[in-house]
Order: sequence, then C-alpha cells, then structure tokens
Amino acid sequence: RKEVEQDPGPFNVPEGATVAFNCTYSNSASQSFFWYRQDCRKEPKLLMSVYSSGNEDGRFTAQLNRASQYISLLIRDSKLSDSATYLCGGGSSASKIIFGSGTRLSIRP
Amino acid sequence: GAGVSQSPSNKVTEKGKDVELRCDPISGHTALYWYRQRLGQGLEFLIYFQGNSAPDKSGLPSDRFSAERTGESVSTLTIQRTQQEDSAVYLCASSSQTGNTIYFGEGSWLTVV
Repeated sequence: RKEVEQDPGPFNVPEGATVAFNCTYSNSASQSFFWYRQDCRKEPKLLMSVYSSGNEDGRFTAQLNRASQYISLLIRDSKLSDSATYLCGGGSSASKIIFGSGTRLSIRP
Repeated sequence: GAGVSQSPSNKVTEKGKDVELRCDPISGHTALYWYRQRLGQGLEFLIYFQGNSAPDKSGLPSDRFSAERTGESVSTLTIQRTQQEDSAVYLCASSSQTGNTIYFGEGSWLTVV
C-alpha cells in the first residue's frame, strides 16, 4: 500500500461547480499535511497547509480527519484557472514529506 | 531571498553516461529533498537530508543513484550509467525544518537517449 494515495482523476467539471478531493495516508505518525498545485510542466507550489481544525482560504477549504487518516480539499465556485494537478503530501517532524500521485482537475467553460 | 535553484534546467545525455544534478536550497533551510517525476506521474521520493543527520536514502531506486549534501547548502544528485527509464524531471525542495512547508525548485529535466 502506498503511504499516500489519491484518486488520479481526471475530474472534469463545469465552471462554477464545487469539487472535492480526498487523500488517504497510512503513516499514523504523520503530523504535517499539505495540498500543492502543479501546473503542466511546472514545479509544485503550495496551495494550503492542512490544520487539525480545518482551514479555509477563499474558495478553498482543507480538512483533516485523523481517525480515518484522510485529508480533503474542497474547491467552491471553480474557475477555469483552477485546472491543474493537485498533490497531497504528509509527513512528520522526524521524517520526509511523501506525496500522492496527484489528482488532475479540468474545469470546462 | 532567492528560491530553490537547480541546474542544469535541461540535460540530454546518452545511455550509459553519468550525470550530476545540482540543487541550491533556500538559504537557512536545513531540510533538503530530491524527488523524481516521470511524465504524467506523481512525485517519487528519492532522498532527504536534515541538518547533520544521516540522510534518508530509502527512496533511491538503485545503487546507480547517489546524493551528497555539503553541510546545509548545496546538494548534488548523481546518476551513474544512465538508462532510458531515468528520463524524468528531478525536483529538489527545501524547508526550514522537517515537517514544515517545502519549496520546490523548477527541476532538472533529464532525457536519456
């Protein structure tokens, strides 16, 4: 079993839709979680850190469920510019950050 | 300050040759990571350095791959006797300490012909 797993998609949704991604992790010692966005042929860039209490940044909401060992990302009122691959990552203060294989999102007009 | 810097940005090499990829992390960042990303695939962890601790080499795919880091600065990833399956982008990242947000360089695109 991979340490971090994501649905690869692709998700193809109309502009304005709400879309949600989940990501599961197997290492219960993981403490730090992140969502990164990667555009085609570019390096990943931080979208959001994921906090235990959940956090929101504009149209984006991240949640952590430690009991079930998954993190989620919700995108509301999706824009064409949200089209990208979304990577989740997790690790602890004593170990490296491991990423999932990414979820591809395509927003159509 | 400057972000993570990687060189070369692109490298085409013949099968069987050795290549060296360089990474300059963000100044003051103690943690440094190397990842590999094949076309259309996710990030594959290769190796991680944290300060003066022994590196975590658990992701290196074979003994043809090695990496070094000088103190808390530059790192070099070396691939010996390159194979076509080594073709990928090699991404370096750094963070202020383990578990914190990591920042990626633009990657070194390697093509083995």
